[in-house]
Amino acid sequence: GIQVEQSPPDLILQEGANSTLRCNFSDSVNNLQWFHQNPWGQLINLFYIPSGTKQNGRLSATTVATERYSLLYISSSQTTDSGVYFCAVRVTGGGNKLTFGTGTQLKVEL
Amino acid sequence: KAGVTQTPRYLIKTRGQQVTLSCSPISGHRSVSWYQQTPGQGLQFLFEYFSETQRNKGNFPGRFSGRQFSNSRSEMNVSTLELGDSALYLCASSLDSNSNQPQHFGDGTRLSIL
Repeated sequence: GIQVEQSPPDLILQEGANSTLRCNFSDSVNNLQWFHQNPWGQLINLFYIPSGTKQNGRLSATTVATERYSLLYISSSQTTDSGVYFCAVRVTGGGNKLTFGTGTQLKVEL
Repeated sequence: KAGVTQTPRYLIKTRGQQVTLSCSPISGHRSVSWYQQTPGQGLQFLFEYFSETQRNKGNFPGRFSGRQFSNSRSEMNVSTLELGDSALYLCASSLDSNSNQPQHFGDGTRLSIL
């Protein structure tokens, strides 16, 4: 099956810093989503981005489907950004099955 | 509109028992998928239901089963519980199966096996 790798696995930032999270996948996909899992376990939709670039406030994401990677940018980080960031992909013909990466654990400190 | 609703939020069971978890999708969504999250295995796909039919199944033993009702609500059942079944169980809904639409997750049911 498809492999999804995320980097870095862990990241510690000072409040106000910027960061880039990466997601590599091993096969063609027709859906890619970024999620933020907060300390209470809630998975929050950040972006639905099978290709192209999107921005939402301090967050933006870019997926280059032909090169099989996606990037999530966090600017001016805040302590509330702490948590785990997952990318998840779906392959054509796979129904709605999402394959998740192992996540990036982000901690933003004052 | 209301999001994906999962009940109960927390559950404690003992080995050998069975458990049923419930998921109500976003209104109008007809596809419901279930995932298991554990520290060791991460987030893994269990199965997907669409129009009351299982469309896709992950690599889990037959103790894990599910169903979907005509109103798109879904339940999953785990029989003969094992310690390793302790996990966060997440449900996701989407408009259709295999469509180019995002999936939306509920808050999960945290299951602990003693």
